[in-house]
Amino acid sequence: DTGVSQDPRHKITKRGQNVTFRCDPISEHNRLYWYRQTLGQGPEFLTYFQNEAQLEKSRLLSDRFSAERPKGSFSTLEIQRTEQGDSAMYLCASSLKLAGEDTQYFGPGTRLTVL
Amino acid sequence: GENVEQHPSTLSVQEGDSAVIKCTYSDSASNYFPWYKQELGKRPQLIIDIRSNVGEKKDQRIAVTLNKTAKHFSLHITETQPEDSAVYFCAASISYNNDMRFGAGTRLTVKP
Repeated sequence: DTGVSQDPRHKITKRGQNVTFRCDPISEHNRLYWYRQTLGQGPEFLTYFQNEAQLEKSRLLSDRFSAERPKGSFSTLEIQRTEQGDSAMYLCASSLKLAGEDTQYFGPGTRLTVL
Repeated sequence: GENVEQHPSTLSVQEGDSAVIKCTYSDSASNYFPWYKQELGKRPQLIIDIRSNVGEKKDQRIAVTLNKTAKHFSLHITETQPEDSAVYFCAASISYNNDMRFGAGTRLTVKP
């Protein structure tokens, strides 16, 4: 499968614990995005990278959230001191930014449940 | 920032009928408008997109129209089939700023 992959697919944690998710983009894609999706809603933008540089973060993103893409390939999203409100599907997407072209392809997501 | 509204939230049609989903956006600088289909428990999949330099784009049974003046765009599915049943999301972004905003989604049910 040469698409976007995410690990783990499901994560159950207790409130207050830290969690880390991984995203592997399509290999030649230089942009990587993180979204959060709750039931009945569309994906909500969190942050994105171009290569290893984090270019934008949503103002809605709590300082408990941090994302990295150290070598411009895979990315990790860490949530510290999880809260029940963090329960959601966390989606990763990647794209190849070219002039006039920037289609985003999504991964299968990581479903987080905070007890 | 950009705000995308999508209507209706649910849509039920008979197999073979057409389905239309509409979205409006607020930022006149937005110039890229994709549509994603998401089946239950699966990832959003791009089905069609349109850029602001064209008014309409068609791919087999799916078409998207864009009215830049009114800041709205629509998805049209003709000859619907049960496998078209899913949640459809519209989105808008300014291509240089990839803060892509999604609509809340439309749950389409195609009855056989």
